[in-house]
Amino acid sequence: NAGVMQNPRHLVRRRGQEARLRCSPMKGHSHVYWYRQLPEEGLKFMVYLQKENIIDESGMPKERFSAEFPKEGPSILRIQQVVRGDSAAYFCASSPPLAGANEQYFGPGTRLTVT
Amino acid sequence: DAKTTQPTSMDCAEGRAANLPCNHSTISGNEYVYWYRQIHSQGPQYIIHGLKNNETNEMASLIITEDRKSSTLILPHATLRDTAVYYCIVETSYDKVIFGPGTSLSVIP
Repeated sequence: NAGVMQNPRHLVRRRGQEARLRCSPMKGHSHVYWYRQLPEEGLKFMVYLQKENIIDESGMPKERFSAEFPKEGPSILRIQQVVRGDSAAYFCASSPPLAGANEQYFGPGTRLTVT
Repeated sequence: DAKTTQPTSMDCAEGRAANLPCNHSTISGNEYVYWYRQIHSQGPQYIIHGLKNNETNEMASLIITEDRKSSTLILPHATLRDTAVYYCIVETSYDKVIFGPGTSLSVIP
């Protein structure tokens, strides 16, 4: 049973470009969470999605960031017009329905570098 | 905001038990205590969780005080691969995990 998969593992973008980060949850998991970890800082929750629904986006910046989890395919975190401050590690986690915090399985992360 | 307080960093000799404390004085009756760790450059990994009773699994033991205001994660025989940031988390909802700054554990050869 493959774990949570994220790609790309490393992404370099110039200021003003768009970044698309993909997350494939574990088999049987219908819930996806995105977290961001800025350099030398802790993990911060961004958004929680179920298939075709955003459940909690309280941690998402108001502008330039969006997330989706379509009926088919991976979850996408999209960052438009990236700035240097977006450079961070972005982690995705997945869980089955009604899972507690012990059942969130994290992927290896995507490291975004904005030049 | 995280509901827990942990020391910023700790050292432990290889082969010795690592005891990582956590204060959660405002914990409510139905809130569990969870522990995760993050090895450098990897995603967080669930370790163990508990409500009232002490818990043990293949990775660690969790000791929760009777008043539930604090707990200790015990790695019985620390190895170099246990060097990581350890997060103590209190959570009730089927929702996001709120990570604090955690404890950076260094296992020394």
